[in-house]
Formats: sequence, structure tokens, C-alpha cells
Amino acid sequence: AQSVTQLDSHVSVSEGTPVLLRCNYSSSYSPSLFWYVQHPNKGLQLLLKYTSAATLVKGINGFEAEFKKSETSFHLTKPSAHMSDAAEYFCVVARRNAGNMLTFGGGTRLMVKP
Amino acid sequence: EAGVAQSPRYKIIEKRQSVAFWCNPISGHATLYWYQQILGQGPKLLIQFQNNGVVDDSQLPKDRFSAERLKGVDSTLKIQPAKLEDSAVYLCASSGGAGGSYEQYFGPGTRLTVT
Repeated sequence: AQSVTQLDSHVSVSEGTPVLLRCNYSSSYSPSLFWYVQHPNKGLQLLLKYTSAATLVKGINGFEAEFKKSETSFHLTKPSAHMSDAAEYFCVVARRNAGNMLTFGGGTRLMVKP
Repeated sequence: EAGVAQSPRYKIIEKRQSVAFWCNPISGHATLYWYQQILGQGPKLLIQFQNNGVVDDSQLPKDRFSAERLKGVDSTLKIQPAKLEDSAVYLCASSGGAGGSYEQYFGPGTRLTVT
């Protein structure tokens, strides 16, 4: 079984300040982990993915995430928030080599203040 | 390349009516997924197809929901009869392009409101 917990349902930051969106996972197998972003009325877009290579993963738009097995965490960070980053973010776990079935976290809504 | 297409984008129906959603995956993608996303929650997998066969439909409410993927390309998801709790965004995704990538690409979704 696998599950994902996103520790904050809402995060508010000022433009230009760092972003931290927290995610913890549970998996009985070696997982693949993803972060997706969803802008209003738009489809889900993949930000980045971890599939057992480097533990620090760089994604699009300046986002990155670090896989920490000992802490079962996969937190998403960005050094400097931009207004266009305001969206819903989902942490996702998949069981590798098992049909790629995704289990989504509940989501974190990121708000960016000018 | 063209993305995953879905239609309609919005649908409003009364409870007990039926509704159908359509999805056209990215060309060449063998795997197709339908998700249900209730407001304020993450998407939940309803059904996964590999070509025209069902891989997983364990979370599909089969008494009212059905899905098919004839010819292994387009897919339709049907609800009959609809209930108020079916109000959600229905997302279609596809994967499995060249090289067997497992990355899933999502369509814009169909927002269903049941009144």
C-alpha cells in the first residue's frame, strides 16, 4: 500500500521569498515520487520526478525537491516565489514497475502576495 | 505534439440523469487513465486501460460508472444515473510513448455539476 500526506493545505508567501511545500509518503516498495502543479481551469502539469537516480531533483520553473528516505519526505522548494507560481500543488507517489498507478496527496494551495 | 483532449469542458445535469465524457490521448500512448477530482481533494484513479484492456478498475463504482476504450485509442466514461456526490472534475491522462515513458500527461478535465 502507498499513501501521501501533504502537511499544509494552504501556504502563503510574499513574492521573492522562498517556497517550501511539505510532503511525506508511505510505500511498501521503492517508490517513484512526483510533484504536479494545477493552475485554475488547467490540466495537471508535471513539475519534477524522482525515480531512484539523484536524490536532489530539479524541475521546471526553478523548483526542486529532495528525496530523503530516512525521513520519508519529498519536500518541494523554490528560492524565490513569483506571482505566476500561485496554484495547487500535488505530491504523488507511484509504485515503480507496477502499472504506474499514481496516488495523489490532498494538495497544497500556494498563494503569492505582491 | 498535441496534448490530451477532453470534451465537454463543462457539464451540468440533474441527479438521476446520465452523462458521458470523451477523451483522446496523446498519439501513440498505450495507457489511458480516468481520474475523479472532488473539490479540495487530489485526483483519485477510477480506471486504467492498457490499449483496449482494463488494468485496474478497483475504484470505479460499477453500479453507475462505466468506461470503454474501443480500438485502444479514444475512451468514454459514462455515469448513469448520476448522484449529487458525482459532482467533480473528471481528468483523463495518458502515458507510454516512445521508450515506454511512465510519465502521465493530463487533459484539462471535464467539470461535472449534478443538481
